[in-house]
Amino acid sequence: GAGVSQSPRYKVAKRGQDVALRCDPISGHVSLFWYQQALGQGPEFLTYFQNEAQLDKSGLPSDRFFAERPEGSVSTLKIQRTQQEDSAVYLCATIDYDDEQFFGPGTRLTVL
Amino acid sequence: AQSVTQLGSHVSVSEGALVLLRCNYSSSVPPYLFWYVQYPNQGLQLLLKYTSAATLVKGINGFEAEFKKSETSFHLTKPSAHMSDAAEYFCAVSTGFQKLVFGTGTRLLVSP
Repeated sequence: GAGVSQSPRYKVAKRGQDVALRCDPISGHVSLFWYQQALGQGPEFLTYFQNEAQLDKSGLPSDRFFAERPEGSVSTLKIQRTQQEDSAVYLCATIDYDDEQFFGPGTRLTVL
Repeated sequence: AQSVTQLGSHVSVSEGALVLLRCNYSSSVPPYLFWYVQYPNQGLQLLLKYTSAATLVKGINGFEAEFKKSETSFHLTKPSAHMSDAAEYFCAVSTGFQKLVFGTGTRLLVSP
């Protein structure tokens, strides 16, 4: 595709449910980032992949958050046992080596 | 550690007036600096970036920013606001093209 796509665009989960958020990067982009954007805040870094290797996961807020990119392309961010404080927009961004980050439209997660 | 401070969560201007959005950064190493714009329910779009070349950086849609090391600032300006400029603007800092550290954002309101 022409840009980064994310699905679903909107997700409503009951507290305690598991969710999986998908990111389809720009074809050939090596690096992939996940960010969390709470309401009224700037995005905050969660984790970073270079190809299939997860090189930095220092931003993941708890062990309920898990990300993978098994074939170095599509990435999935999984949140287990969702809590209300997990409600946010989750943004994916990709770059091709040294270049700007291209962002997807995000997935808005609401935990009830 | 790196950080960004955006002064003013909201800025209101009249159409045709000067736009000035303030950003101050903190970085222990030479920074890369970015301005992104976010329209409702959309991802972040890069307006411009500073990567240690020219200190005056021109971006898309008539925006520009000047890197001032002595003031640790990277303020965003546009000579004449347009209604379509109404959006949320984020300043961000990074070390190279790596994970971005964002400010809390400034919402630009443009009145006719």
